[in-house]
Amino acid sequence: GENVEQHPSTLSVQEGDSAVIKCTYSDSASNYFPWYKQELGKGPQLIIDIRSNVGEKKDQRIAVTLNKTAKHFSLHITETQPEDSAVYFCAAILYSGGGADGLTFGKGTHLIIQP
Amino acid sequence: DAGITQSPRHKVTETGTPVTLRCHQTENHRYMYWYRQDPGHGLRLIHYSYGVKDTDKGEVSDGYSVSRSKTEDFLLTLESATSSQTSVYFCAISESALPDSQETQYFGPGTRLLVL
Repeated sequence: GENVEQHPSTLSVQEGDSAVIKCTYSDSASNYFPWYKQELGKGPQLIIDIRSNVGEKKDQRIAVTLNKTAKHFSLHITETQPEDSAVYFCAAILYSGGGADGLTFGKGTHLIIQP
Repeated sequence: DAGITQSPRHKVTETGTPVTLRCHQTENHRYMYWYRQDPGHGLRLIHYSYGVKDTDKGEVSDGYSVSRSKTEDFLLTLESATSSQTSVYFCAISESALPDSQETQYFGPGTRLLVL
């Protein structure tokens, strides 16, 4: 089955700086890679996703890059703000169109934005 | 939370008692999932459903059963709760009718379960 490794487990950056979180996956057939943000006491919220036919996707201050050859993908947050402080999870799945198994998640990164 | 509610939101129970958690969606999504979240493990899939009365096991299904008698409801049952099942349980849904978003999973607010 799929295995997803996520690094670092904790990341502290100064407000206004950039943050990068990296994930690797084991199953080369995986084709969908979402990122979730989880605030304390809440459920994970999808913030961006990427499919295997795309190398990069951007949404305002958030971007995700995918390297299929190396089997890794990364989340980039620019101009970080206090509200970016949260736990971030990467995930991977092989979506075949006819059905879907559950997502395989990384263990999470606690992002701390220092004022 | 994408039209997903979970009940109860918090529960304390004793070892050996049965517990049922409910997930209700108003999005008419085909797929529903139960995950558990534990420190150091991220989120792990327990069971999922791909339609009414159609369910399958996930990574950590031992000690859990599920049922889906209506599109909108997915129940998770702990037949005889153990302390190792103390966790936060999340329901998720997927496969909307929108193109290029069928695989996107949306999560509910979670149920915090403590087994004493």
